[in-house]
Amino acid sequence: DAGVTQSPTHLIKTRGQQVTLRCSPKSGHDTVSWYQQALGQGPQFIFQYYEEEERQRGNFPDRFSGHQFPNYSSELNVNALLLGDSALYLCASSTHRASYTFGSGTRLTVV
Amino acid sequence: SQQGEEDPQALSIQEGENATMNCSYKTSINNLQWYRQNSGRGLVHLILIRSNEREKHSGRLRVTLDTSKKSSSLLITASRAADTASYFCATDGNGGAQKLVFGQGTRLTINP
Repeated sequence: DAGVTQSPTHLIKTRGQQVTLRCSPKSGHDTVSWYQQALGQGPQFIFQYYEEEERQRGNFPDRFSGHQFPNYSSELNVNALLLGDSALYLCASSTHRASYTFGSGTRLTVV
Repeated sequence: SQQGEEDPQALSIQEGENATMNCSYKTSINNLQWYRQNSGRGLVHLILIRSNEREKHSGRLRVTLDTSKKSSSLLITASRAADTASYFCATDGNGGAQKLVFGQGTRLTINP
C-alpha cells in the first residue's frame, strides 16, 4: 500500500522563478494538505484541498496556489520565488477524521 | 503563528533512560497528535489522543493530555539510539477542516 509520494525530492530555483511541487496521496485518501517547514521550525499550514477545491488556507500570500485533480493528487505552485521560500514542503493526505499520512517532502532551495 | 509550544527545545540523554517532552497549546482542540521527524524528512505519526482521553500508550510511548491546562506530554521509555529525532505535537481545533497546528518541536538526542 503506497504512502504519500512527493516529487521532486530536491529542487534549486532562482529568485523570481516559479515552481511546481507534486503530491500523490495515500490510497483511499481524498484530502490533501500542504505545509511549509523552515529550517529549525515546525511545519506551517499552507492550504488544504478536498473535492478539487481549496477548503482552508493558512497565512500565506497569493503567490502560493494549488490544485487538486480528480484522482486526488495535488500540486503546489509558488510564483515569484523569494529567498525566504526556501524550506521543506510537506504534503499530507487524509480522509474524514483519519490521521494524516505525510510524504517525505520536497526540499526547495531558492538562490 | 504556531499554537503548540514544546518544552524543552532540545534534550540529550543516555541510551536506556526515559525521555519526556511537553507541549502546550492555546485553543480548544479535538485531538492532539505527536509526530517524529528524522533529519528534516517526512513526519511519522506516533500517536493520537482525543480531547476526552487523558492517557494513551503505544509500545514504549506514553502520552498524557490535560485539557484544563492545555498541555500534553510524551514519554519515551528505555530510549534507543534510533529514537534520535525531532518530535512535534500538533493540534486540530474545532471544526471539520482538520488543519494541523504544530509546535516548534523538541530535538531529542540519545547518546550511546
